[in-house]
Amino acid sequence: EPEVTQTPSHQVTQMGQEVILRCVPISNHLYFYWYRQILGQKVEFLVSFYNNEISEKSEIFDDQFSVERPDGSNFTLKIRSTKLEDSAMYFCASSGAENIQYFGAGTRLSVL
Amino acid sequence: SQQGEEDPQALSIQEGENATMNCSYKTSINNLQWYRQNSGRGLVHLILIRSNEREKHSGRLRVTLDTSKKSSSLLITASRAADTASYFCATDARNQGGKLIFGQGTELSVKP
Repeated sequence: EPEVTQTPSHQVTQMGQEVILRCVPISNHLYFYWYRQILGQKVEFLVSFYNNEISEKSEIFDDQFSVERPDGSNFTLKIRSTKLEDSAMYFCASSGAENIQYFGAGTRLSVL
Repeated sequence: SQQGEEDPQALSIQEGENATMNCSYKTSINNLQWYRQNSGRGLVHLILIRSNEREKHSGRLRVTLDTSKKSSSLLITASRAADTASYFCATDARNQGGKLIFGQGTELSVKP
């Protein structure tokens, strides 16, 4: 069964450093998403991406965040200068025409 | 309350019993979806109910939707220990770039 894969599973970084979280969505999906989940809290939407541009973004997704689909398979989330409060699980998801989203296993980001 | 609020927050039952979880939301929706999350893992889509549907079944799952009350319920019948997980409702609103808004979730524990 096709699945969304995310790498790395765990990323440790120093405050102020840049991180890139990587995702390979399901191959025939056209819609891509990033969410995050701070420990013990609910899943929060960050950004949706379609046709090589951002469709919607939340207030969390400020200038420190960017997304890119650099080739036909990868979808990345970059945080330019990480803060302590960026520590969370980051989930990538993709969907087809009917918005059933398939989630990856997540990347745990720890900012020290 | 926030969009997509579930209750109860935690539910503990014995194997074989039924589990009912409720969700309330605030805005107009295209559809409402239920997801499951095992501890520390990604979310798995369970079932989607469209705004013009009132009830839907999938295996041991039964979902209802009352758009006049902006509420939904998820019933898991004949629960098993393997159903132990957190369950989230997520609303898909119109013209929002496909973003899902998740509730806080119900933590279900099924004791063998």
